Amino acid sequence: QVQLQESGPGLVKPSETLSLTCTVSTASISSYYWTWIRQPPGEGLEWIAYIHYSGITNYNPSLKSRVTISADMSKKQFFLKLNSVTAADTAVYYCAGMFCSGWPRVDNWGQGILVTVSS
Amino acid sequence: DIQMTQSPSSLSASVGDRVTITCRASQSISMYLNWYKQTPGKAPKLLIYAASSLQSGVPLRFSGSGSGTDFTLTISSLQPEDFGIYYCQESFGSPYTFGQGTRLEIK
Repeated sequence: QVQLQESGPGLVKPSETLSLTCTVSTASISSYYWTWIRQPPGEGLEWIAYIHYSGITNYNPSLKSRVTISADMSKKQFFLKLNSVTAADTAVYYCAGMFCSGWPRVDNWGQGILVTVSS
Repeated sequence: DIQMTQSPSSLSASVGDRVTITCRASQSISMYLNWYKQTPGKAPKLLIYAASSLQSGVPLRFSGSGSGTDFTLTISSLQPEDFGIYYCQESFGSPYTFGQGTRLEIK
């Protein structure tokens, strides 16, 4: 059973950097792409990025210039930094595990954290 | 990027009805297609992966089909707990695009 928990500030000022942490509880750390997905209020889902235990990363091209994903797998944590935020970055941010063997799928999700961009 | 288009955007059906939701990809994605269900205030839940493989613990009334560009999620006999928003997602490659969602309401 994989459990994920997001943490970080719920309010970020415009032009500043959004920083989130996801803490993972699983013995199968290498079986997943550790992933960030977001959902603006009342809207659909947007995949942001993933990082693998091996250090491989993959970014959504639409956000790549502003996003950094990193990890400390010894602590079973991975991180999201999104810089130069605007109101359009207001969303629920989910950390998730995308199973990376065979057919990729997101089969474990955190509860989500609402991040509001406002002055 | 691959675009994913779901139809309908919303539907209302009665308990016991057979319900079908369609997802179309802008290019062939083989069977790299997942379906999720989301209820208000909750994270999405995986229902189907690889177009037709039922995720463990998901009721047998859910099924998926399709390959290439056209896919279908079917609920064989709608139950009250099936209300929510259903999303398809391509897992063919980055950026793993989701469809816009189909809102399912119970009459």
